[in-house]
Amino acid sequence: GQQLNQSPQSMFIQEGEDVSMNCTSSSIFNTWLWYKQDPGEGPVLLIALYKAGELTSNGRLTAQFGITRKDSFLNISASIPSDVGIYFCAGLGAGGTSYGKLTFGQGTILTVHP
Amino acid sequence: KAGVTQTPRYLIKTRGQQVTLSCSPISGHRSVSWYQQTPGQGLQFLFEYFSETQRNKGNFPGRFSGRQFSNSRSEMNVSTLELGDSALYLCASSWSALGQGRNTIYFGEGSWLTVV
Repeated sequence: GQQLNQSPQSMFIQEGEDVSMNCTSSSIFNTWLWYKQDPGEGPVLLIALYKAGELTSNGRLTAQFGITRKDSFLNISASIPSDVGIYFCAGLGAGGTSYGKLTFGQGTILTVHP
Repeated sequence: KAGVTQTPRYLIKTRGQQVTLSCSPISGHRSVSWYQQTPGQGLQFLFEYFSETQRNKGNFPGRFSGRQFSNSRSEMNVSTLELGDSALYLCASSWSALGQGRNTIYFGEGSWLTVV
């Protein structure tokens, strides 16, 4: 099935460093969502974005809805060990065959070294 | 307020059998959507139910079906199980139908299905 292009696939960083990941698509989306998933658990919603250009923060996390509506990024500042996990972007299609369907990126595996 | 609840958490089935998974959405949420997560294919949309009606369906065979009850609880059924159906099945709920309004979509912890 269709997936968003999420990069990087994995990151190994030191505690205290900042992290940036992004998702791109050839389709337009009207909602972007970012999730974190721990092993064996369901995805937990981190940030939701609803308008092109929107910039939203949640603690040390900041995400933006790209102005073309085809991309989004997530930044994590001052990473800590509990940030370890898999981060997924997800988009809700604005029209066509992707309307009303949630499409996911492949995930970014984040490892934080203390 | 209680989150999205999925049962059972783990189950093992034999090829050819069928399975039914259950999902209780967050109170007040009327949209329930289902997803399959595998290492090879990632997270993929199965279908969405809103007010007891299937609104959208992903690219899965007809062996995958679902329904929603008047209290918004949903069930998903997979018939004639195949080895490749082994996956984490996730349910999510939202107040509004997907694509309408400002969707905030919350996931349950999932049901781990192993087909042997």
